[in-house]
Amino acid sequence: DAKTTQPNSMESNEEEPVHLPCNHSTISGTDYIHWYRQLPSQGPEYVIHGLTSNVNNRMASLAIAEDRKSSTLILHRATLRDAAVYYCIDHYGQNFVFGPGTRLSVLP
Amino acid sequence: DAGVIQSPRHEVTEMGQEVTLRCKPISGHNSLFWYRQTMMRGLELLIYFNNNVPIDDSGMPEDRFSAKMPNASFSTLKIQPSEPRDSAVYFCASSLVAYSNQPQHFGDGTRLSIL
Repeated sequence: DAKTTQPNSMESNEEEPVHLPCNHSTISGTDYIHWYRQLPSQGPEYVIHGLTSNVNNRMASLAIAEDRKSSTLILHRATLRDAAVYYCIDHYGQNFVFGPGTRLSVLP
Repeated sequence: DAGVIQSPRHEVTEMGQEVTLRCKPISGHNSLFWYRQTMMRGLELLIYFNNNVPIDDSGMPEDRFSAKMPNASFSTLKIQPSEPRDSAVYFCASSLVAYSNQPQHFGDGTRLSIL
């Protein structure tokens, strides 16, 4: 079965960069790599996705390994509002599978 | 732009009662997903629709759960009869199409408590 692995938790200081890793060694060649985050008492929020090339948007950057077996979500300057659970998404057919994610704490 | 709208935000009811959760997807989106989130099992996909047609309901826990999408702008998830173990946060999401390259956009969820 396809599976992603992420650290259970990470900590960052405010205004410092954060690198959130994910291993997805069994991802198929045509599945996009998606990242979502969930703030307390809210629904998951789309962050970024990509296939092979690194991607940037207003929220974050996504660095994808050349072999696609891992990726890193980069928050360039963490703020207190970035404290959330970050999910690297697995796929089962067309279905998204959410694992336990990484709980990011941001310290002032 | 309006996002995915779910109602009610909170529902408390007694076991045995019928519960209906509602979802309005983002206009123009052709795929709709229902998820359930609990502490024990995390976020699980229950069912999804493409163009109002149920495609995969393998995540629906049992026959007490049913979902419908009568038109492109409305879907319901019904539990009848409800049980305490159904207590969870239920999320609805929509996307342009159910495909790997399309992000899903989630509503704020319905927090359901069955007493």
